[in-house]
Formats: sequence, C-alpha cells, structure tokens
Amino acid sequence: KNEVEQSPQNLTAQEGEFITINCSYSVGISALHWLQQHPGGGIVSLFMLSSGKKKHGRLIATINIQEKHSSLHITASHPRDSAVYICAVPFNFGNEKLTFGTGTRLTIIP
Amino acid sequence: DTGVSQDPRHKITKRGQNVTFRCDPISEHNRLYWYRQTLGQGPEFLTYFQNEAQLEKSRLLSDRFSAERPKGSFSTLEIQRTEQGDSAMYLCASSPGGRELAGFTDTQYFGPGTRLTVL
Repeated sequence: KNEVEQSPQNLTAQEGEFITINCSYSVGISALHWLQQHPGGGIVSLFMLSSGKKKHGRLIATINIQEKHSSLHITASHPRDSAVYICAVPFNFGNEKLTFGTGTRLTIIP
Repeated sequence: DTGVSQDPRHKITKRGQNVTFRCDPISEHNRLYWYRQTLGQGPEFLTYFQNEAQLEKSRLLSDRFSAERPKGSFSTLEIQRTEQGDSAMYLCASSPGGRELAGFTDTQYFGPGTRLTVL
C-alpha cells in the first residue's frame, strides 16, 4: 500500500464540470501540499494546508486531519486546468522532505 | 526573486558518462531538496540540505550519486557512470526553513527540473 494514494489516476471531463481529486495518506505530519505539474515537468505549489479549507480562484482544497484525507476541487473547469495534480506530505517539522502521490492526470475537453 | 532555476533543462548522455546538474534556489532559502521523478510516477526524495549541511540521503541515492551545496547557496548533483535506469526528471526545490520550532511547515518552491536521458 502506497503511503500517499490519489484517486482517480486519470480524469477526463468536459469544460465547466466540477472536478474532485482525492488524496489519502498514512505518513507524515498533519499538513499536505497540492501541486500542479504541466507537460514539460515544472511543478507549481497550489496549496499547503494543515486544517480546514483553502480557496484560490477556482481551486478549493480541504483536509480532514483525523481521517488523513484531502480533496482538491476545481470549479468551472477549463482546458487550461489540464495537468497532473499531485498531493504530497512532509515527513515532519524540521525534516520536510515530501512523500508524493503518483498524481492524477486531468484532461478538460473544450 | 527569480524563483528556483536548474541547469541544464535537458541532458542526453551515453551510458557510463558522468553528468552534473546545478540548482540555484530562491535567495536566502536555507533548505534545498533534490527529488527524482520517473515517467508516470510521482517524485521521490533523494537528499536535502540545511544551508551547506547535507542532512539526509535516500536509499535511492547510490554511491554513484553525490550532491553538494558548498556555500549554502547553489547545489550540484553529480551522477557518475550513468546507467539507463538513471533516466528521469531531476527536480530541485527550496524552502525558507527555520519555522519548524513554531509549528509551521514551509511551502517548497520547485525548479523546472532537468530531464536526463541515458542512452
């Protein structure tokens, strides 16, 4: 069993649909990163959260620390949202090496 | 602040050759991380530095791999006697560090990566 699991692995949706990507983890401290990776490899940090919910534009991330589960939502999805979304958890305070999920490949069709 | 930069962006080499990659973190970031990502997988931790000190190395980092951060600023990752299995994207990230005692964890800022292909 992977220490950080994401679902689904692949997701194709029509433009405008509401998107949900899930992440469950069994390791790390009580915080989680959501990252976006476009073709070509560059990774952008979207959110880091340790409780509750964060919102940035059309992106919303939630986390349940007790259940070690997080979700990333995209409202009014757009083709430019097509990317791989990766969740990652830090090992602990003072050693923040990340353990990554395998990613969710999102494709939004116009 | 120009972000984290990595050089080169792409490297093609023949098996058995040595290669060296460079990472320039965001200035004044104390922590620097190296990760490796193979096709279709999430990144995996290789090693990290707190200033110039290398604090941890993954089991993935065989004796052929060495990383340095001599002045606590840029870092280099060298792979000696490359093998085809070394083909991957090598990612560098930096973070400010120093807030862990206050119970904070830091955002890591990633560079664009160096894609290595070993023929």
